[in-house]
Amino acid sequence: DAKTTQPNSMESNEEEPVHLPCNHSTISGTDYIHWYRQLPSQGPEYVIHGLTSNVNNRMASLAIAEDRKSSTLILHRATLRDAAVYYCILRDVDTGGFKTIFGAGTRLFVKA
Amino acid sequence: ETGVTQSPTHLIKTRGQQVTLRCSSQSGHNTVSWYQQALGQGPQFIFQYYREEENGRGNFPPRFSGLQFPNYSSELNVNALELDDSALYLCASSSLPWGGETQYFGPGTRLLVL
Repeated sequence: DAKTTQPNSMESNEEEPVHLPCNHSTISGTDYIHWYRQLPSQGPEYVIHGLTSNVNNRMASLAIAEDRKSSTLILHRATLRDAAVYYCILRDVDTGGFKTIFGAGTRLFVKA
Repeated sequence: ETGVTQSPTHLIKTRGQQVTLRCSSQSGHNTVSWYQQALGQGPQFIFQYYREEENGRGNFPPRFSGLQFPNYSSELNVNALELDDSALYLCASSSLPWGGETQYFGPGTRLLVL
């Protein structure tokens, strides 16, 4: 199974951009890349997803490497409310059926 | 817009017992996935159901089973509970069993096995 690798933690200053990296070197051609974040005592919350092209939405941007072996979640201006664990996830169907692979997550600390 | 609910919120069981956890998906969502999240770790995919049939499973033994009902509710059943089954159990619903579909997670059920 493909898997994702993320740094354990990162720190950012409020109002500054944050780049959260994810390595998925064994990604298959049809795996979608998703990012979710999780606050304490809550279920994960969708942030953004993509397949091959870079994606933008109101929350963040997703930059996908040309070979798709890595991606970066970009928060353009971090706020205190962005402090959470961010998960990079691969989702697709393989011969064994549908699969979702979560990484261990990056804990983002935001300093005021 | 999540609308996914889970019950109970917390549960304590004894090793060897059986447990049923429940999830109510967002209306119109025919796909539900279940995850196990141990303390300090990322969620692990247990299985996914689409239109009442299991269509994907992670590395979990058969004592983890599920049911999905036509009214957008679903169950996760765990038999012969072990201490390592203590975790937060999350369900997530989506419209279709497709890799590009957004999942909406519930708040989870925290299970403690003694």
